Amino acid sequence: NAGVTQTPKFQVLKTGQSMTLQCAQDMNHNSMYWYRQDPGMGLRLIYYSASEGTTDKGEVPNGYNVSRLNKREFSLRLESAAPSQTSVYFCASSEANRVGDYGYTFGSGTRLTVV
Amino acid sequence: AQSVTQPDIHITVSEGASLELRCNYSYGATPYLFWYVQSPGQGLQLLLKYFSGDTLVQGIKGFEAEFKRSQSSFNLRKPSVHWSDAAEYFCAVWTTSGTYKYIFGTGTRLKVLA
Repeated sequence: NAGVTQTPKFQVLKTGQSMTLQCAQDMNHNSMYWYRQDPGMGLRLIYYSASEGTTDKGEVPNGYNVSRLNKREFSLRLESAAPSQTSVYFCASSEANRVGDYGYTFGSGTRLTVV
Repeated sequence: AQSVTQPDIHITVSEGASLELRCNYSYGATPYLFWYVQSPGQGLQLLLKYFSGDTLVQGIKGFEAEFKRSQSSFNLRKPSVHWSDAAEYFCAVWTTSGTYKYIFGTGTRLKVLA
């Protein structure tokens, strides 16, 4: 089925460990996004990629890096995990100039716990 | 500054009752407005959207929303709630200021009593 695939679904890290969250979409969308979701705070944009080869910071980029590997894939890396990064992470994609028509397509999320 | 406010963190309704979830936005131009639903353990799914035309928009699963410019509101409604509607609902505005991205509200968690 067409959509956004995130891996892994669950992860537990120790403080200071690093990891990469993977995201891939098969809808030929230009734009991809990483959000984190925390209770009572809704979704906050970490990084986004408006098109292949470009990435930009969102609202809460500190402690994260991203790579737009190709049009399909957009990864999020935590270089040195901290307990404050415990969250649910969502990847999304869209046709940037057609969001009014289609909105975003979201992945099912990665639940990350940093101990 | 652009913002989206969902004043109700939690709402509980009985199955079969009507539902209204509130959303207020702050945005300089005519906004693109959306409602998303998130079922437990799932990503967000688009319910409906407004960007021009008729101010009453219909969505999936029997939901509708009304855009009221004078009140800066985009409230979500359903005439008769089903137990399967229990989920978290997010209002969002799409902003083209600076770059293309959403601003999400903090969400309203709906509980449905049998």
